Amino acid sequence: GAGVSQSPSNKVTEKGKDVELRCDPISGHTALYWYRQSLGQGLEFLIYFQGNSAPDKSGLPSDRFSAERTGGSVSTLTIQRTQQEDSAVYLCASSLAPGGRGTDTQYFGPGTRLTVL
Amino acid sequence: DAKTTQPNSMESNEEEPVHLPCNHSTISGTDYIHWYRQLPSQGPEYVIHGLTSNVNNRMASLAIAEDRKSSTLILHRATLRDAAVYYCILRGFYNQGGKLIFGQGTELSVKP
Repeated sequence: GAGVSQSPSNKVTEKGKDVELRCDPISGHTALYWYRQSLGQGLEFLIYFQGNSAPDKSGLPSDRFSAERTGGSVSTLTIQRTQQEDSAVYLCASSLAPGGRGTDTQYFGPGTRLTVL
Repeated sequence: DAKTTQPNSMESNEEEPVHLPCNHSTISGTDYIHWYRQLPSQGPEYVIHGLTSNVNNRMASLAIAEDRKSSTLILHRATLRDAAVYYCILRGFYNQGGKLIFGQGTELSVKP
């Protein structure tokens, strides 16, 4: 079946512009996650959606970052007034089981490479 | 979730077994041990997970020490396609919101 898809695959923008990154999770997966991976850095958690519960936004680095998930499916990560330090690969993942279990498997998309000039 | 410690890098020869170690001395009784790997220019992918007993699947085997303070991911015959960064991650039964906390991982290189 179809995996997690993300668009665009690459995005180049100028400092100060807003960008939107899209994630299509695997159909039926109730949990959706955003992570980012900066050059030379590890993967860091950004935000987590689970069903109709309030999202866990504890990983968002600043108020310039926001995300929404419409209809329990597609999610959009928005970065306002982009800065050069926002340059990274933004990864989306989804899982079937509720995230509060230690056994669920997360399926990752290919990521969006964001470059801020 | 408790912290894990892995070597920064390892080398292997093609078609030989690879043992990737992970230390997790502060693991709690309900923490599951998960392994993910990230191939170059791709998102991470799930490899295997376990709680107490050794586990096998089509990708790898997971050997868990009796005291659960360490574990080893075993690739039985490394191929060039197994060159990746391997992450050992602990996930509590009621872990914080389902997020994965990635360390630096072990970068595995496979020589032909």
